[in-house]
Amino acid sequence: GAGVSQSPSNKVTEKGKDVELRCDPISGHTALYWYRQSLGQGLEFLIYFQGNSAPDKSGLPSDRFSAERTGGSVSTLTIQRTQQEDSAVYLCASSLRGSVAEQFFGPGTRLTVL
Amino acid sequence: AQSVAQPEDQVNVAEGNPLTVKCTYSVSGNPYLFWYVQYPNRGLQFLLKYITGDNLVKGSYGFEAEFNKSQTSFHLKKPSALVSDSALYFCAVRDPTNAGKSTFGDGTTLTVKP
Repeated sequence: GAGVSQSPSNKVTEKGKDVELRCDPISGHTALYWYRQSLGQGLEFLIYFQGNSAPDKSGLPSDRFSAERTGGSVSTLTIQRTQQEDSAVYLCASSLRGSVAEQFFGPGTRLTVL
Repeated sequence: AQSVAQPEDQVNVAEGNPLTVKCTYSVSGNPYLFWYVQYPNRGLQFLLKYITGDNLVKGSYGFEAEFNKSQTSFHLKKPSALVSDSALYFCAVRDPTNAGKSTFGDGTTLTVKP
């Protein structure tokens, strides 16, 4: 597809379970970002990948959160032992290399932890 | 550290009137500034950006923004608002020395009434 895709679109899980969220960036975009958007809140930066460089993990809220990007394309955000406060919309974005490039966002995954 | 402030949670304007959505920023160097819009039940879309050059930048859907270095502001404007402009607007800043990380404001909900 032409845009950033994310799956699943909705995920309901029980507290304590692990979840995996997937992001397919736009082809050719070397930069990939994960954000979290809680209800009524702004975007909280989680992690940033640029090419083969070490990711910027400075926004991950705890060690229960991790992300990987395979082959410089698809990325997976994993949340272990989910908590109710993890409930939010998780957004993925991609961009061309460089700080001047705008980001293209996916539709998000709405995560609900019961 | 970089930061963005959107001082108004909500902006209400009548259709046909001019609109302004405010944004101020803090960054150590010369900023890269972006505006994004989030329509109901849709993902974030890029509107416009300031990198360098003319302080007045024009973007999608008739929007423009003015970079004011002395006031560290990047307010979003439109001469004549449409009902369809009603959405959530986010300002973002990127420090060129920290190429990956963008910091977003908390967002401003714009409501345009007929």
